[in-house]
Amino acid sequence: EAQVTQNPRYLITVTGKKLTVTCSQNMNHEYMSWYRQDPGLGLRQIYYSMNVEVTDKGDVPEGYKVSRKEKRNFPLILESPSPNQTSLYFCASSRQGASNQPQHFGDGTRLSIL
Amino acid sequence: SQQGEEDPQALSIQEGENATMNCSYKTSINNLQWYRQNSGRGLVHLILIRSNEREKHSGRLRVTLDTSKKSSSLLITASRAADTASYFCATPFTGANSKLTFGKGITLSVRP
Repeated sequence: EAQVTQNPRYLITVTGKKLTVTCSQNMNHEYMSWYRQDPGLGLRQIYYSMNVEVTDKGDVPEGYKVSRKEKRNFPLILESPSPNQTSLYFCASSRQGASNQPQHFGDGTRLSIL
Repeated sequence: SQQGEEDPQALSIQEGENATMNCSYKTSINNLQWYRQNSGRGLVHLILIRSNEREKHSGRLRVTLDTSKKSSSLLITASRAADTASYFCATPFTGANSKLTFGKGITLSVRP
């Protein structure tokens, strides 16, 4: 089954404790991206990757890091999480660039930073 | 960046009725997409309509695109309680980043 898998689905942690949210897709997609969704602000892109070893900033990259060492995986790293990063996070992928391709989304990761 | 704006923000209808949701955008696009999000879940792609298409159907969904008015509509016919969700339109970003820009969404409630 074609899917985008995120882990964990829920996480409560404390300020400053490094965490990684994993994202994996099994569709051999080139394009992957991370979004955060906040009430009243909609979906905002954090980082994206056009292919292996090619990543770039989205609209709200501050406080986040990503890597794309393999085509299927695109982890999101919060080196020193802060409460303003409490949010619902989504990973998405598409065959090529997102602008004219359907995006496949994971089920989301709800992060609470205390 | 351009962004689709959905209208209305919230819509409540009775099961069996049709639901019409609108999206307006600011600059020329080559396609527009609609997504659905069930509560607490990821977005699911519904339809992509290209700028040279005026209408597209998928099951009970009908999407129109009027490039002269820079607007699109999503019609769900014979709605069901399971259609209760948030619906988003998404437009391509015109800059170097090959990404989609999402609107803030429409919350649709279908009463049984």
